Amino acid sequence: DAKTTQPPSMDCAEGRAANLPCNHSTISGNEYVYWYRQIHSQGPQYIIHGLKNNETNEMASLIITEDRKSSTLILPHATLRDTAVYYCIVRVPYSGNTPLVFGKGTRLSVIA
Amino acid sequence: ETGVTQTPRHLVMGMTNKKSLKCEQHLGHNAMYWYKQSAKKPLELMFVYNFKEQTENNSVPSRFSPECPNSSHLFLHLHTLQPEDSALYLCASSPVGDRNTEAFFGQGTRLTVV
Repeated sequence: DAKTTQPPSMDCAEGRAANLPCNHSTISGNEYVYWYRQIHSQGPQYIIHGLKNNETNEMASLIITEDRKSSTLILPHATLRDTAVYYCIVRVPYSGNTPLVFGKGTRLSVIA
Repeated sequence: ETGVTQTPRHLVMGMTNKKSLKCEQHLGHNAMYWYKQSAKKPLELMFVYNFKEQTENNSVPSRFSPECPNSSHLFLHLHTLQPEDSALYLCASSPVGDRNTEAFFGQGTRLTVV
């Protein structure tokens, strides 16, 4: 079972920041927060992951609360190509025995 | 291009046919996975292989038979499928024992059972 809760859908205006929330209140100390997205009918794409510090890469920023019970994925300037289903997943890395378990995710629609 | 290649991209098969899906990666990853995604449903994990050994079978019917001959290749053999098995089948790979264990996915095989 997925250990995260995400809103089923969100809209965002093109060029604005998209802030996607995720609740993971039962996260354990050695679990990381991963974000993936899936554009229609394609394979999921890795975006970013983090443990407790905020992370940023060329795609997005990840903000994790101090108690680690929730996080926010930020796409700073959303484009139409960012329309996709975004998945927040918690898991322990370092082992192939902890595969990604996907929930329903958030369907982000970027609107022109 | 993720480095994980799946063939074929599309497949139509009858219920009495036998077919195989192929997945290949040359990323040096030691874990490979099969997922199934039916219409309007989340991805479902089917099988996990670590260092060529199957470590997880997520209650998948025996008409789906995986094979992992080496760390770079993964197959899913299909026989006597049902129309409800029509779905997008995704392969993924990831490194093991490394902090950066993000998984890379192929583009999937769209399977239609008629």
